[in-house]
Amino acid sequence: NAGVTQTPKFQVLKTGQSMTLQCAQDMNHNSMYWYRQDPGMGLRLIYYSASEGTTDKGEVPNGYNVSRLNKREFSLRLESAAPSQTSVYFCASSELRVNYGYTFGSGTRLTVV
Amino acid sequence: QQQVKQSPQSLIVQKGGISIINCAYENTAFDYFPWYQQFPGKGPALLIAIRPDVSEKKEGRFTISFNKSAKQFSLHIMDSQPGDSATYFCAALTGNQFYFGTGTSLTVIP
Repeated sequence: NAGVTQTPKFQVLKTGQSMTLQCAQDMNHNSMYWYRQDPGMGLRLIYYSASEGTTDKGEVPNGYNVSRLNKREFSLRLESAAPSQTSVYFCASSELRVNYGYTFGSGTRLTVV
Repeated sequence: QQQVKQSPQSLIVQKGGISIINCAYENTAFDYFPWYQQFPGKGPALLIAIRPDVSEKKEGRFTISFNKSAKQFSLHIMDSQPGDSATYFCAALTGNQFYFGTGTSLTVIP
């Protein structure tokens, strides 16, 4: 099925560990996004890539890095995980200004202990 | 600072009733206003959207009402069903970024 695929679905990390969240889309969208979702906070943009080869900070970029590996893939890296990064992470892709909507992945539930 | 303010945080409606969720914004640069529906364990999915040059958009039981002068927009779910129980997010687009509301948890009681 066409869409956005995120891996892993669940992850538990110890404080200070690093990990990379993977995201791939097969809709040939130019734009890709990483959001975090926390109770009472809604969805907050971490980083986005408007097109292959470009990345920009969103609302809450501290503690994260991203790589737009190619048009399909956009990864999010936590270099030194902190308990404050416990959250559900969603990747999304879009052809903004063309179809205007996001397609979200099913999320990664990350717990940092 | 929350760019898009959403209320209520939670809502309980009887089956067959009308569910109403409201959002407000200040940034007049926003030019597209979607609503997303999210079921537990899933990512949000686009439900319905409106542009600011239209005051109302209806798709089946879902209607967006948009008041440009008041900078408010709302989602109305007519004849609410238990299957509509989910979290709903409003959003607003400017440039390349969407800004999301904090979400409304809707429960429809049979």
